Amino acid sequence: GAVVSQHPSRVICKSGTSVKIECRSLDFQATTMFWYRQFPKQSLMLMATSNEGSKATYEQGVEKDKFLINHASLTLSTLTVTSAHPEDSSFYICSARDQSGANVLTFGAGSRLTVL
Amino acid sequence: GEDVEQSLFLSVREGDSSVINCTYTDSSSTYLYWYKQEPGAGLQLLTYIFSNMDMKQDQRLTVLLNKKDKHLSLRIADTQTGDSAIYFCAESDSGNTPLVFGKGTRLSVIA
Repeated sequence: GAVVSQHPSRVICKSGTSVKIECRSLDFQATTMFWYRQFPKQSLMLMATSNEGSKATYEQGVEKDKFLINHASLTLSTLTVTSAHPEDSSFYICSARDQSGANVLTFGAGSRLTVL
Repeated sequence: GEDVEQSLFLSVREGDSSVINCTYTDSSSTYLYWYKQEPGAGLQLLTYIFSNMDMKQDQRLTVLLNKKDKHLSLRIADTQTGDSAIYFCAESDSGNTPLVFGKGTRLSVIA
């Protein structure tokens, strides 16, 4: 079945630095990927839709300059958290739409970001 | 906008059946999904159902859809401790729109 690989699984960084998270579809091409942020009380928040070869579509309230998304190929999307602050600490999960036609999303394993 | 609601917690005894309920508001929902999330992991698709179906069964899992009431349920038969996780309900109204997720139901299975 479809597999999405997300890296790194855990990252700790100092405040003010930037962190890049990669999301790869391993055995299928994904023209569209989605980035979610999960808060401690479980809920998933869609941050942005990543479109191969074009600009990402951000959800309301998500800072484009803060969370840079690049989808340069059909199998790779990256999320860069720029000038990270402790409030950016969270669990970030990417997903890609598979090719079944039922709009099924395959999720990566998530990346736990801790900003000191 | 579209909304998906589900209760936050459910506790059951091992061997009993679990029923996780979900309601949604989008009358044009085409696909409805159940995802499972284990601690520290991403979401895993359990099953999905087309809106023109009333029921779908897959081994221990039974999904019931009441389209009139916009109500979706997931029944897990013979619940095991390994079923302890967060279960997310989600809906989509087409093949191109982002899924709308509920807040997740944390299922605790008591041995």
